[in-house]
Amino acid sequence: GQNIDQPTEMTATEGAIVQINCTYQTSGFNGLFWYQQHAGEAPTFLSYNVLDGLEEKGRFSSFLSRSKGYSYLLLKELQMKDSASYLCAVRDKGLNYGQNFVFGPGTRLSVLP
Amino acid sequence: EAGVAQSPRYKIIEKRQSVAFWCNPISGHATLYWYQQILGQGPKLLIQFQNNGVVDDSQLPKDRFSAERLKGVDSTLKIQPAKLEDSAVYLCASSLELSGNTEAFFGQGTRLTVV
Repeated sequence: GQNIDQPTEMTATEGAIVQINCTYQTSGFNGLFWYQQHAGEAPTFLSYNVLDGLEEKGRFSSFLSRSKGYSYLLLKELQMKDSASYLCAVRDKGLNYGQNFVFGPGTRLSVLP
Repeated sequence: EAGVAQSPRYKIIEKRQSVAFWCNPISGHATLYWYQQILGQGPKLLIQFQNNGVVDDSQLPKDRFSAERLKGVDSTLKIQPAKLEDSAVYLCASSLELSGNTEAFFGQGTRLTVV
């Protein structure tokens, strides 16, 4: 099985940088994903990590340490539109290869002017 | 490219009634997921299909929930009978394949309210 943990809520100021952490325990790690979900909308894909290190995509970066079961999503130059929930999801090999795309509880980020 | 289509968008039913949700995944996507998302929580996986076969339904409450994907394309999720605690958004997602770096694409979801 899997256990994925994230902070419930975070608040940051427009223009600032915020780091959202995710810790996980899996039986067969096969990749970590970050999704953004605005209130009342579907989750949308942000980033993917399967090897250790930092992946950068514009204002968003995601980091992974497999040995520590740890990832973070870094948002730079925050904008009001970044107010949303950020979901960490793990693909776990489970019983069969590549199964179990499981989400954490999500972190609700509020960006203040 | 068309996204994942779901219907209806909203549904209100009384407890003990039955309800069905429909999902049409992105064309060519072999893997289809149904998630339940209760307000303020992350999506909880209910069932995964690979083509028309069930890969994982370990968290599906089988006494009241059922799902099928008969021709390996569209899928339906049914609840019978519904309980108050089933009030949630039901999200359908699809991905190109079961493994690797293929992300899941989500539909808009069906918001179910059980009264």
